Amino acid sequence: AQRVTQPEKLLSVFKGAPVELKCNYSYSGSPELFWYVQYSRQRLQLLLRHISRESIKGFTADLNKGETSFHLKKPFAQEEDSAMYYCALSGSTLGRLYFGRGTQLTVWP
Amino acid sequence: DAGVIQSPRHEVTEMGQEVTLRCKLISGHNSLFWYRQTMMRGLELLIYFNNNVPIDDSGMPEDRFSAKMPNASFSTLKIQPSEPRDSAVYFCASSLGQNQPQHFGDGTRLSIL
Repeated sequence: AQRVTQPEKLLSVFKGAPVELKCNYSYSGSPELFWYVQYSRQRLQLLLRHISRESIKGFTADLNKGETSFHLKKPFAQEEDSAMYYCALSGSTLGRLYFGRGTQLTVWP
Repeated sequence: DAGVIQSPRHEVTEMGQEVTLRCKLISGHNSLFWYRQTMMRGLELLIYFNNNVPIDDSGMPEDRFSAKMPNASFSTLKIQPSEPRDSAVYFCASSLGQNQPQHFGDGTRLSIL
């Protein structure tokens, strides 16, 4: 069955440190992966999707089909990156997006 | 485009009252999703529609919850009667297709006293 796993519920780093938010998925078909970000008391916003292969706000994510992962990375975290991050999975046979449980990132000054 | 529009932004009411949450989709979008977000359970999908037809309502917690799409651009989520454990932020999202990126509204922060 399809599943998205974000193993870290909470993640804290200091400003300027590298950050990696982990996401693993389970899906038998060809996946499409997304990262959403939710700043405090705001809506979820699409941060990036793997097919775009772009960097948004310094974040990148590479789909690794061998490891079934789509980890989100940023080399130098900023305080304004503090937010909840959700990984989401889609696929032609799924009918909808499946979200992970989210990782709350805190970047300390 | 104004994006997905939800109303009200905040609702505080007493238990037992009927609550109606509203959502206007982005023009041209044909899939509509209702989510509930709480600290304990995180983001939960309640129900979703495609072309005005409910596809999966298995996330709807109880019969007290109902959702409709009276037309292609508008949806309501109703709770009757409401209970304190229904307190949460309710998000609506729409997309161009079921598997496409979803665009979220600002949510309705619901408090049932």
